[in-house]
Amino acid sequence: EPEVTQTPSHQVTQMGQEVILRCVPISNHLYFYWYRQILGQKVEFLVSFYNNEISEKSEIFDDQFSVERPDGSNFTLKIRSTKLEDSAMYFCASTTLWRGTGGYTFGSGTRLTVV
Amino acid sequence: GQQVMQIPQYQHVQEGEDFTTYCNSSTTLSNIQWYKQRPGGHPVFLIQLVKSGEVKKQKRLTFQFGEAKKNSSLHITATQTTDVGTYFCAALFQGAQKLVFGQGTRLTINP
Repeated sequence: EPEVTQTPSHQVTQMGQEVILRCVPISNHLYFYWYRQILGQKVEFLVSFYNNEISEKSEIFDDQFSVERPDGSNFTLKIRSTKLEDSAMYFCASTTLWRGTGGYTFGSGTRLTVV
Repeated sequence: GQQVMQIPQYQHVQEGEDFTTYCNSSTTLSNIQWYKQRPGGHPVFLIQLVKSGEVKKQKRLTFQFGEAKKNSSLHITATQTTDVGTYFCAALFQGAQKLVFGQGTRLTINP
């Protein structure tokens, strides 16, 4: 069964450093998302991406965050200057249908620890 | 804002007992989806409900969408240890493009 692949599985970074989280969505999927989950809490929307541009973003997704699809397969989330409160599990998701009809496929996540 | 409330936050049952989790929205939804997240895992899509009053079954799992399309429930009959995990509802609000997740119900089971 096709999978969404995320790397790395765990990233530890110093506060103020830049991190790039990588995702390879399922190849025929068109809509891409980043969500995050602080330990034991709910899954929070960050950003959605379609046709090489952001289609929607949350208030969490401020100027410190950016997304890119640099080469038609990878989908990256960059945090420019990490804060302690950015520590969370970051999930990439993709779907083939508009508005996520039929469900999202999530990757296994990147656990980001900011120290 | 667009929020969906999910209760209970935690549920502990004896193996073989039933389990239900509920989601509520103050506004009408386009659809609602349900996901399961095993401990240490990622959300996995279970099902989508679109129509008013819709009921869908997957083996021991029964999913319902309210008549007003503002609430939904997931019921598990005769729980098994493999049902352990957190169950999330995820709502698609009318006019929106992304899923909004409920807080999740963490199910633990005593064998």
